[in-house]
Amino acid sequence: EVQLVESGGGLVQPGGSLRLSCGASGFTFTDYTMNWVRQAPGRGLEWVSYVSSASSTIHYADSVRGRFTTSRDNAKNSVYLQMNSLRDEDTAVYYCASGYSNYLINWGQGTLVTVSS
Amino acid sequence: EIVLTQSPATLSLSPGERATLSCRASQSVGTSLAWYQQRPGQAPRLLIFDVSSRATDIPARFSGSGSGADFTLTISGLEPEDFAVYYCQHRSNGWPWTFGQGTKVDIK
Repeated sequence: EVQLVESGGGLVQPGGSLRLSCGASGFTFTDYTMNWVRQAPGRGLEWVSYVSSASSTIHYADSVRGRFTTSRDNAKNSVYLQMNSLRDEDTAVYYCASGYSNYLINWGQGTLVTVSS
Repeated sequence: EIVLTQSPATLSLSPGERATLSCRASQSVGTSLAWYQQRPGQAPRLLIFDVSSRATDIPARFSGSGSGADFTLTISGLEPEDFAVYYCQHRSNGWPWTFGQGTKVDIK
C-alpha cells in the first residue's frame, strides 16, 4: 500500500522557521518526483515546490522562493521542506505528493502549519 | 503563467444525476490536464490525467474530455461519495504547476 506521511507542522510565530518531513513507503521512491502542495483554510490548492528523483532539478512557487528549501533523501525514502521567514499567509495544510510525468499521483494526509503571534 | 478557470463554482445536484464540470485555460495546454477530487477533510486524489485517462481504481462513471484550452469532467450518475470539490491542474514546461480554483459538487 502506498503511504505518504507528513510530520513537523505546528504553530510558529511570524518570521520563524519550521521543517516539514514526509516519509514514503509502498512504492519505488526513486521512480517519482516529490512535491509539496498547500491549502490555506477554506481555499484551493497551491503548488509549493518540486524536486526531481535525483534532486538534480528543484523548482519553487514565486510565493515561497528564497524562503523555502526542499530536499529529499532517497536512502530514507523521505522528502523535506525547510520553511524560513514564515508569514501569516503561509498558514495552510501542507501535503506532500509523489509526481510522475505532469501529475501528482499519490498524496499524504497533510500537516497543518499555523503562523500566528 | 497559465491560468485555469473552473465553472461553475458550485454545482447542486441530486444523487443519480449527471455532473458536468468545466475547466478553461488561458492558453492551449495540449493534453496536459488532470482532475483531482477532494472529499471533506481528506487529501486530494488523482482522478483523470492526460485529459481523459482514468487513474488507478477510479470508477468508469468519471470521464474527462476536451482539447486545447477547454476541458470537461463528467460524472455520469452521482454517488453519495462523489459530493466533493474537484480541481483541474496543468503543469507547463516553464513551471509552475497550476490548479483551478475548484468546483464544489454538493447535494441539492
